[in-house]
Amino acid sequence: RKEVEQDPGPFNVPEGATVAFNCTYSNSASQSFFWYRQDCRKEPKLLMSVYSSGNEDGRFTAQLNRASQYISLLIRDSKLSDSATYLCVVNRLVGSSNTGKLIFGQGTTLQVKP
Amino acid sequence: NAGVMQNPRHLVRRRGQEARLRCSPMKGHSHVYWYRQLPEEGLKFMVYLQKENIIDESGMPKERFSAEFPKEGPSILRIQQVVRGDSAAYFCASSIRTSGFTDTQYFGPGTRLTVL
Repeated sequence: RKEVEQDPGPFNVPEGATVAFNCTYSNSASQSFFWYRQDCRKEPKLLMSVYSSGNEDGRFTAQLNRASQYISLLIRDSKLSDSATYLCVVNRLVGSSNTGKLIFGQGTTLQVKP
Repeated sequence: NAGVMQNPRHLVRRRGQEARLRCSPMKGHSHVYWYRQLPEEGLKFMVYLQKENIIDESGMPKERFSAEFPKEGPSILRIQQVVRGDSAAYFCASSIRTSGFTDTQYFGPGTRLTVL
C-alpha cells in the first residue's frame, strides 16, 4: 500500500464547476500536509498547506481529518488555468524528529474544459 | 530573490557514463532535498542534506548514486555508470528550516536526464 494515495483521475470538468479531490495517508504520525500543483511535469509549486481547522485561499479550500487520515481539496468556480496535476503531500517523521522528507501522492489530473 | 536553480535543465548520457546534476538553493536556505520523478510516476524522496552533512539518504539507491552539499558551491547529485532506468526528472528543493516542523520546500525547475 502506498503511503499517500490519490485517485489519479483524470477529472474532466466544465469551466465554473466545483471539483473535489481526496487523499488518504497511512502514517498516523505525519505532522504536516500540503497540496502542490504540477503543470506538465514541471516543478511542483506549493498551492496551500493544510490544517486541522481547514483553510481557504480564494477559490481553494483544504481540509484535514486526522482521525480518518484524510485530506481534501475543493476548487470552486474552476478556471481553464486550473488544469494541472494536484499532488497531495505529507511529511515523514522519523521517531520524534522531523526529517523534512516529503512523501508525494501520485497526483490527480484535472482538465477544465471551456 | 532568485529561486532554486538547477543545471543543466536537460542532460543526455549514454549508458555507462556519469551524470552530475547541480542545485543552488534559494538565498538564505541551508537545507537541500533531492527528489526523482520517473515517467508516469510521482515524486520520490532521495536525499536530504545540510551544508557538509547528509541528514537522510534513505531514498537513495545503494549503488551508483551519491550526493553532497559542500560548504561553498551548489549541491551535487552524482550518478555513476548510468543505466536506462535512471532516465527521469530530478528535482531539487530547498528550505530554511527555522522550526521543528517541516517548513515550505521550494522546488527548482528540474534536470531531465535521458540515458541512451
